[in-house]
Amino acid sequence: EIVMTQSPATLSVSPGERANISCRASQSVGSNLAWYQQKPGQSPRLLIYATSTRATGVPARFSGSRSGTEFTLTISSLQTEDSAVYYCQQYYDWPPVTFGGGTRADIK
Amino acid sequence: EVQLVESGGGLVKPGGSLRLSCATSGFTFTSYSISWVRQAPGKGLEWVSSISSSSTYMYYADSVKGRFTVSRDNAENSVYMEMNGLRAEDTAVYYCARALRVGSWLESWGQGTLVTVSS
Repeated sequence: EIVMTQSPATLSVSPGERANISCRASQSVGSNLAWYQQKPGQSPRLLIYATSTRATGVPARFSGSRSGTEFTLTISSLQTEDSAVYYCQQYYDWPPVTFGGGTRADIK
Repeated sequence: EVQLVESGGGLVKPGGSLRLSCATSGFTFTSYSISWVRQAPGKGLEWVSSISSSSTYMYYADSVKGRFTVSRDNAENSVYMEMNGLRAEDTAVYYCARALRVGSWLESWGQGTLVTVSS
């Protein structure tokens, strides 16, 4: 089973600042990586799939990148509505698809 | 509008059973696989099970294999998960979500249904 490790567990960013969330895979997952956003009391929402493709309706300030087995979700200019928990998910080697443990983004 | 609506959650004693439903609308149901993902209180996401568009393939997490059974009714645009032998560690919000293929990203999610296993 591929283990996905996210860091940091929590980040606190001021509005307008850049936020980077990392996700490391225990082995190669190619580009088969998705990101989800979950706001309090809501279900997860797909943000990005195939490492860097934004889902329909996702603002351009969200972007994804890859370097080997390390993936990064970048929010270029954090907005107050971006306060949420973010999860990565690999779908290269399944079952099972596996999720990272989550990163909470707080707004200062 | 794409909709997935879970139901069937509730309080059940250890060893008991529940049947979750996922009713869908707003898309061509027979073109999508459906997965179940759960989230224990205050915890992260855990994949539970997936069923392919034609019910040919079903997959389960090791933690539920032999206890949970997933099925779908393409005439009713619905997916079901029969949960037997429930344990305290099965307590979670259960989400259904659609994907173009099994083992893919999850495009749209329902609002979830809470299953609580407690005596």
